[in-house]
Amino acid sequence: GQNIDQPTEMTATEGAIVQINCTYQTSGFNGLFWYQQHAGEAPTFLSYNVLDGLEEKGRFSSFLSRSKGYSYLLLKELQMKDSASYLCAVRANDYKLSFGAGTTVTVRA
Amino acid sequence: DTEVTQTPKHLVMGMTNKKSLKCEQHMGHRAMYWYKQKAKKPPELMFVYSYEKLSINESVPSRFSPECPNSSLLNLHLHALQPEDSALYLCASSQDPRSQETQYFGPGTRLLVL
Repeated sequence: GQNIDQPTEMTATEGAIVQINCTYQTSGFNGLFWYQQHAGEAPTFLSYNVLDGLEEKGRFSSFLSRSKGYSYLLLKELQMKDSASYLCAVRANDYKLSFGAGTTVTVRA
Repeated sequence: DTEVTQTPKHLVMGMTNKKSLKCEQHMGHRAMYWYKQKAKKPPELMFVYSYEKLSINESVPSRFSPECPNSSLLNLHLHALQPEDSALYLCASSQDPRSQETQYFGPGTRLLVL
């Protein structure tokens, strides 16, 4: 089975930076995804890593270390609209996507 | 266009009812998925269709019956559900199951079983 861990909650101030860590143990590895999900809405794709290193996309960056089974999502210049749940999802050898429990980020003014 | 649409948005049904959830995408994706998501929990995979054939069934009870009439449509037929089946049902699609492309999610159907 898959084991994906991420913190339950994080709080940060508007304009700040927050880093959400994700560790995983899976049967094989075929990519790691980060999704954003606002309450009552569908997950929306943020980033994808399959090779080690940093992927940058505007205010959001994602990092992967396959040898450590570790990823993080970095949110810069936080805005109130960034308050949401952030889901780490890993695709294993069977190509199924397994999600972590999600990290609820609250941005305060 | 990266849109996956789902109908209805909300559904209330009794335990003896039969209803269907519908999902549609026009991105030419050949893989489609059904997920179930309970409040404050991550999505859980139910079914995967690959090239219109059921490729994965995650031991879902038979009261949930998926159907893929064509490459753009995915249905989930519901019969004799239990109150614990109340959840957000998400449909997703991707280029194909083995693609490095992400899955795109629809807005979901919020189901309440009374």
